Amino acid sequence: QQPVQSPQAVILREGEDAVINCSSSKALYSVHWYRQKHGEAPVFLMILLKGGEQKGHDKISASFNEKKQQSSLYLTASQLSYSGTYFCGTGGQSGGSNYKLTFGKGTLLTVNP
Amino acid sequence: DSGVTQTPKHLITATGQRVTLRCSPRSGDLSVYWYQQSLDQGLQFLIQYYNGEERAKGNILERFSAQQFPDLHSELNLSSLELGDSALYFCASSGRAKGNTIYFGEGSWLTVV
Repeated sequence: QQPVQSPQAVILREGEDAVINCSSSKALYSVHWYRQKHGEAPVFLMILLKGGEQKGHDKISASFNEKKQQSSLYLTASQLSYSGTYFCGTGGQSGGSNYKLTFGKGTLLTVNP
Repeated sequence: DSGVTQTPKHLITATGQRVTLRCSPRSGDLSVYWYQQSLDQGLQFLIQYYNGEERAKGNILERFSAQQFPDLHSELNLSSLELGDSALYFCASSGRAKGNTIYFGEGSWLTVV
Protein backbone atom coordinates (compact mmCIF):
# COMPACT_ATOMS: atom_id res chain seq x y z
CA GLN A 1 0.00 0.00 0.00
CA GLN A 2 1.09 3.51 -0.81
CA PRO A 3 2.04 5.69 2.16
CA VAL A 4 0.03 8.84 2.71
CA GLN A 5 1.78 12.18 2.80
CA SER A 6 0.56 15.45 4.25
CA PRO A 7 0.27 18.23 3.47
CA GLN A 8 -0.11 17.91 -0.30
CA ALA A 9 1.46 21.32 -0.79
CA VAL A 10 3.05 24.01 1.31
CA ILE A 11 4.31 27.50 0.54
CA LEU A 12 7.01 29.09 2.67
CA ARG A 13 9.03 32.23 2.79
CA GLU A 14 12.77 31.82 2.89
CA GLY A 15 13.91 31.11 6.43
CA GLU A 16 10.67 29.51 7.59
CA ASP A 17 10.34 25.93 8.80
CA ALA A 18 8.19 23.10 7.48
CA VAL A 19 7.17 19.60 8.49
CA ILE A 20 6.11 16.92 6.05
CA ASN A 21 4.39 13.84 7.36
CA CYS A 22 4.25 10.30 6.04
CA SER A 23 2.05 7.55 7.40
CA SER A 24 1.54 3.93 6.49
CA SER A 25 -1.22 1.42 7.10
CA LYS A 26 1.27 -1.38 7.51
CA ALA A 27 4.33 -1.98 9.62
CA LEU A 28 7.31 0.11 8.65
CA TYR A 29 10.80 -1.27 8.37
CA SER A 30 12.30 1.69 6.64
CA VAL A 31 11.37 5.17 5.50
CA HIS A 32 13.17 6.88 2.64
CA TRP A 33 12.90 10.59 1.88
CA TYR A 34 13.64 12.09 -1.53
CA ARG A 35 13.34 15.51 -3.13
CA GLN A 36 12.55 15.92 -6.81
CA LYS A 37 12.78 19.04 -8.94
CA HIS A 38 10.39 19.12 -11.90
CA GLY A 39 11.55 16.81 -14.68
CA GLU A 40 14.61 15.66 -12.78
CA ALA A 41 15.57 12.53 -10.91
CA PRO A 42 14.59 12.19 -7.26
CA VAL A 43 17.53 12.95 -5.00
CA PHE A 44 18.16 11.03 -1.79
CA LEU A 45 17.74 12.97 1.45
CA MET A 46 17.46 10.50 4.27
CA ILE A 47 16.78 6.92 5.20
CA LEU A 48 15.43 5.86 8.57
CA LEU A 49 15.63 2.25 9.56
CA LYS A 50 13.71 0.24 12.11
CA GLY A 51 15.67 0.37 15.31
CA GLY A 52 16.54 4.03 15.08
CA GLU A 53 19.40 4.16 12.64
CA GLN A 54 19.41 7.23 10.41
CA LYS A 55 21.56 8.19 7.47
CA GLY A 56 21.12 11.37 5.57
CA HIS A 57 21.42 15.03 4.98
CA ASP A 58 23.18 17.33 7.43
CA LYS A 59 20.60 20.14 7.29
CA ILE A 60 17.46 18.02 7.27
CA SER A 61 16.19 15.88 10.08
CA ALA A 62 13.47 13.31 10.37
CA SER A 63 11.70 11.18 12.89
CA PHE A 64 10.46 7.63 12.62
CA ASN A 65 7.74 6.38 14.96
CA GLU A 66 7.54 2.66 14.40
CA LYS A 67 4.61 2.23 16.75
CA LYS A 68 2.47 4.82 14.99
CA GLN A 69 3.81 3.81 11.55
CA GLN A 70 4.67 7.41 10.85
CA SER A 71 7.61 9.51 9.81
CA SER A 72 8.09 13.26 9.65
CA LEU A 73 10.64 15.29 7.72
CA TYR A 74 11.74 18.56 9.31
CA LEU A 75 13.03 21.35 7.11
CA THR A 76 14.42 24.24 9.10
CA ALA A 77 15.45 27.69 7.94
CA SER A 78 14.29 26.88 4.44
CA GLN A 79 16.28 28.05 1.44
CA LEU A 80 15.11 28.69 -2.10
CA SER A 81 16.89 25.50 -3.13
CA TYR A 82 14.55 23.47 -0.90
CA SER A 83 11.72 23.97 -3.39
CA GLY A 84 10.56 20.77 -5.02
CA THR A 85 8.38 17.75 -4.43
CA TYR A 86 9.22 15.62 -1.43
CA PHE A 87 8.48 11.92 -1.50
CA CYS A 88 8.52 9.43 1.30
CA GLY A 89 9.00 5.80 0.47
CA THR A 90 8.20 2.89 2.73
CA GLY A 91 9.09 -0.68 2.35
CA GLY A 92 11.15 -3.53 3.40
CA GLN A 93 10.87 -6.38 5.67
CA SER A 94 13.29 -7.85 8.06
CA GLY A 95 16.59 -8.07 6.25
CA GLY A 96 15.65 -5.94 3.27
CA SER A 97 14.90 -2.27 3.77
CA ASN A 98 14.25 -1.62 0.08
CA TYR A 99 11.88 -4.52 -0.58
CA LYS A 100 8.93 -3.23 -2.61
CA LEU A 101 9.84 0.37 -1.82
CA THR A 102 6.61 2.28 -2.43
CA PHE A 103 6.38 6.05 -2.52
CA GLY A 104 3.64 8.43 -1.50
CA LYS A 105 2.13 10.96 -3.92
CA GLY A 106 4.47 13.67 -2.78
CA THR A 107 4.37 17.05 -1.07
CA LEU A 108 5.02 20.10 -3.22
CA LEU A 109 7.14 22.60 -1.30
CA THR A 110 7.57 26.10 -2.65
CA VAL A 111 9.98 28.50 -0.99
CA ASN A 112 9.59 32.13 -1.97
CA PRO A 113 12.06 34.98 -1.35
CA ASP B 1 25.31 12.44 -11.39
CA SER B 2 23.92 9.41 -9.55
CA GLY B 3 25.88 6.91 -11.63
CA VAL B 4 22.70 5.26 -12.93
CA THR B 5 22.47 5.55 -16.70
CA GLN B 6 19.22 5.32 -18.63
CA THR B 7 18.66 5.31 -22.36
CA PRO B 8 16.97 6.69 -24.31
CA LYS B 9 16.30 9.99 -22.56
CA HIS B 10 13.33 10.80 -24.77
CA LEU B 11 11.17 8.56 -26.92
CA ILE B 12 8.07 9.25 -28.99
CA THR B 13 6.18 6.32 -30.39
CA ALA B 14 2.74 5.42 -31.67
CA THR B 15 0.00 3.48 -29.95
CA GLY B 16 0.29 -0.25 -30.34
CA GLN B 17 4.06 -0.17 -30.64
CA ARG B 18 6.71 -1.73 -28.43
CA VAL B 19 9.69 -0.02 -26.83
CA THR B 20 12.62 -1.07 -24.70
CA LEU B 21 14.12 1.13 -22.01
CA ARG B 22 17.62 0.36 -20.83
CA CYS B 23 19.30 0.92 -17.49
CA SER B 24 22.87 0.53 -16.31
CA PRO B 25 23.10 0.54 -12.51
CA ARG B 26 25.85 2.16 -10.49
CA SER B 27 29.06 0.19 -10.47
CA GLY B 28 28.76 -2.64 -7.97
CA ASP B 29 25.03 -2.28 -7.31
CA LEU B 30 23.18 -5.57 -7.55
CA SER B 31 19.62 -4.26 -7.11
CA VAL B 32 17.69 -2.53 -9.87
CA TYR B 33 14.26 -0.94 -9.58
CA TRP B 34 11.84 0.44 -12.15
CA TYR B 35 9.35 3.20 -11.40
CA GLN B 36 6.73 4.96 -13.50
CA GLN B 37 5.88 8.61 -12.93
CA SER B 38 2.88 10.01 -14.79
CA LEU B 39 1.86 13.65 -14.90
CA ASP B 40 0.90 14.78 -11.41
CA GLN B 41 1.39 11.27 -10.08
CA GLY B 42 3.86 9.97 -7.62
CA LEU B 43 6.44 7.32 -8.22
CA GLN B 44 4.72 4.04 -8.98
CA PHE B 45 6.81 1.00 -8.17
CA LEU B 46 6.89 -1.46 -11.06
CA ILE B 47 9.46 -4.14 -10.38
CA GLN B 48 12.67 -4.91 -8.51
CA TYR B 49 15.56 -7.21 -9.41
CA TYR B 50 18.48 -8.46 -7.39
CA ASN B 51 21.49 -9.97 -9.11
CA GLY B 52 19.48 -11.16 -12.08
CA GLU B 53 16.50 -12.49 -10.17
CA GLU B 54 13.09 -10.85 -9.85
CA ARG B 55 12.68 -9.87 -6.22
CA ALA B 56 9.44 -7.91 -6.02
CA LYS B 57 6.60 -6.87 -8.27
CA GLY B 58 4.46 -3.81 -7.94
CA ASN B 59 1.82 -2.30 -10.18
CA ILE B 60 3.32 -3.56 -13.39
CA LEU B 61 0.92 -4.21 -16.26
CA GLU B 62 0.97 -7.54 -18.08
CA ARG B 63 1.96 -5.64 -21.24
CA PHE B 64 5.17 -4.64 -19.48
CA SER B 65 8.07 -6.92 -18.71
CA ALA B 66 11.57 -6.51 -17.43
CA GLN B 67 14.75 -8.43 -16.89
CA GLN B 68 18.18 -8.01 -15.40
CA PHE B 69 21.08 -9.47 -17.32
CA PRO B 70 24.26 -11.15 -16.01
CA ASP B 71 26.19 -7.89 -16.43
CA LEU B 72 23.51 -6.36 -14.14
CA HIS B 73 22.05 -3.95 -16.67
CA SER B 74 18.30 -4.07 -16.94
CA GLU B 75 15.69 -3.54 -19.61
CA LEU B 76 12.04 -2.62 -19.31
CA ASN B 77 9.92 -3.70 -22.26
CA LEU B 78 6.63 -1.93 -22.88
CA SER B 79 4.33 -3.40 -25.52
CA SER B 80 0.95 -2.66 -27.09
CA LEU B 81 1.47 0.89 -25.96
CA GLU B 82 -1.49 3.07 -25.05
CA LEU B 83 -1.76 6.83 -24.65
CA GLY B 84 -1.92 6.35 -20.88
CA ASP B 85 1.52 4.78 -20.85
CA SER B 86 3.05 8.18 -21.55
CA ALA B 87 5.19 8.86 -18.51
CA LEU B 88 8.65 9.31 -17.11
CA TYR B 89 10.20 5.94 -16.38
CA PHE B 90 12.91 5.83 -13.77
CA CYS B 91 15.44 3.18 -13.11
CA ALA B 92 17.19 3.10 -9.76
CA SER B 93 19.85 0.96 -8.19
CA SER B 94 21.16 0.22 -4.74
CA GLY B 95 23.97 -1.64 -3.12
CA ARG B 96 25.16 -2.41 0.34
CA ALA B 97 26.67 0.99 1.00
CA LYS B 98 24.88 3.76 2.93
CA GLY B 99 22.04 1.62 4.23
CA ASN B 100 20.95 0.50 0.80
CA THR B 101 20.30 4.02 -0.43
CA ILE B 102 18.50 3.96 -3.76
CA TYR B 103 19.95 6.15 -6.48
CA PHE B 104 17.77 7.19 -9.39
CA GLY B 105 18.74 7.66 -13.00
CA GLU B 106 17.66 10.71 -15.01
CA GLY B 107 14.69 8.87 -16.42
CA SER B 108 13.34 8.05 -19.86
CA TRP B 109 10.54 10.26 -21.12
CA LEU B 110 8.07 8.18 -23.10
CA THR B 111 5.40 9.88 -25.16
CA VAL B 112 2.81 7.71 -26.87
CA VAL B 113 0.91 9.46 -29.68
